[in-house]
Amino acid sequence: QTVVTQEPSVTVSPGGTVTLTCGSNTGAVTSSYSPNWFQQQPGQAPRALIYSTTNRHSWTPARFSGSLLRGKAALTLSGVQPEDEAVYYCVLFFGGGPIFGGGTQLTVL
Amino acid sequence: QVQLVQSGAEVRKPWASVRVSCKASGYIFTDYYFHWVRQAPGQGLEWMGIINPRGGHTTYSKKFQGRITMTRDTSTSTLYMDLNSLRSEDTALYYCARGEAVGANQRHIDHWGQGTLVTVSS
Repeated sequence: QTVVTQEPSVTVSPGGTVTLTCGSNTGAVTSSYSPNWFQQQPGQAPRALIYSTTNRHSWTPARFSGSLLRGKAALTLSGVQPEDEAVYYCVLFFGGGPIFGGGTQLTVL
Repeated sequence: QVQLVQSGAEVRKPWASVRVSCKASGYIFTDYYFHWVRQAPGQGLEWMGIINPRGGHTTYSKKFQGRITMTRDTSTSTLYMDLNSLRSEDTALYYCARGEAVGANQRHIDHWGQGTLVTVSS
């Protein structure tokens, strides 16, 4: 069974930089898995941030960036704002369909 | 602007069925794939399936095969997701979400509906 892994929780200081990662138990994540990233605030639907590894949507703030990092997909937040506190999900697209990671709770403290 | 508006909350008894709808607007309905994704209370996101609104072709997660049916009505730009043989573990928020353009190389999900809460309880 394919599992997509994310850090359960991460804490960052306001104004700081943090990187969240998204891995797979099948091996290294590559761009062929079209990694996407989403932000979910409490009580809200997810909001898309990044697609195809590195591409921002038109509404995504520039402080969010996507990359591949040591065999994983990565989401980096630079100059973290208090409103960035949320759960972040990645999704990888496999042949049988997309699989979401378990989500990372980002705390801004 | 792209909008996905879902139907209201539903309560069902175990073994019943439920239908959730999702009306799309703001773009050409048949140009983009759609996904259904659910989220149990306090849990993460779970992919259920995808539909091509042009021909209605579907691919379902193995977990839901046999219990799920996704359809669309192109005349009203509305998607439907039917789930039957409901059990308590199906209590969740159900989301429709727009995927990439039909024929696109890269896969993505961009716009999401507001979610529909389905509660299964005896």
